[in-house]
Amino acid sequence: DTGVSQDPRHKITKRGQNVTFRCDPISEHNRLYWYRQTLGQGPEFLTYFQNEAQLEKSRLLSDRFSAERPKGSFSTLEIQRTEQGDSAMYLCASSPGYQNGNTEAFFGQGTRLTVV
Amino acid sequence: GDSVTQMEGPVTLSEEAFLTINCTYTATGYPSLFWYVQYPGEGLQLLLKATKADDKGSNKGFEATYRKETTSFHLEKGSVQVSDSAVYFCALTSGAQKLVFGQGTRLTINP
Repeated sequence: DTGVSQDPRHKITKRGQNVTFRCDPISEHNRLYWYRQTLGQGPEFLTYFQNEAQLEKSRLLSDRFSAERPKGSFSTLEIQRTEQGDSAMYLCASSPGYQNGNTEAFFGQGTRLTVV
Repeated sequence: GDSVTQMEGPVTLSEEAFLTINCTYTATGYPSLFWYVQYPGEGLQLLLKATKADDKGSNKGFEATYRKETTSFHLEKGSVQVSDSAVYFCALTSGAQKLVFGQGTRLTINP
């Protein structure tokens, strides 16, 4: 297993365009998280899935953001009508949840979005 | 809501110096506490963790002790190396296991 994989690594888009990011978690990890990290700040929680169910969404996740995790495997994060304020690093993490008491989250390398 | 406050950086030290990065938290319930590290060009990696009061997490020469009475989880290392240069994040989880991060501390070690 190669860890959490995110694609693309970098995305430059024009304001107003839609973008979609993909995250492939570690196999058999039932929890998947999305975070956003702006320059000089720590990551901020956006949303998380337990298998295919989206169980929590942050207030940071405006109507323009949507996330899915069909069949409880990979996940996508879509941003519609991008704005310059959406420029950030988008991080995905997965964890096995409470299996064996292990709650460690494993992070991907992130997708850096630049809105011009 | 839950929050984490880290000492502001950047921090610059000479090799073999003693390191402390302060971290305090505010949380309801009984959070688990973590230190994550981000090396240049890489993703976040778990450095160490502690799940209950007075637990000490340790890894790669780094240590941190969960202090409930002072709501702190300070990171320490007795002798830093150039390879320790990175950004360090203190974090906590509670409830649904989502992580709440501090703002990060950039550490630079000079040879």
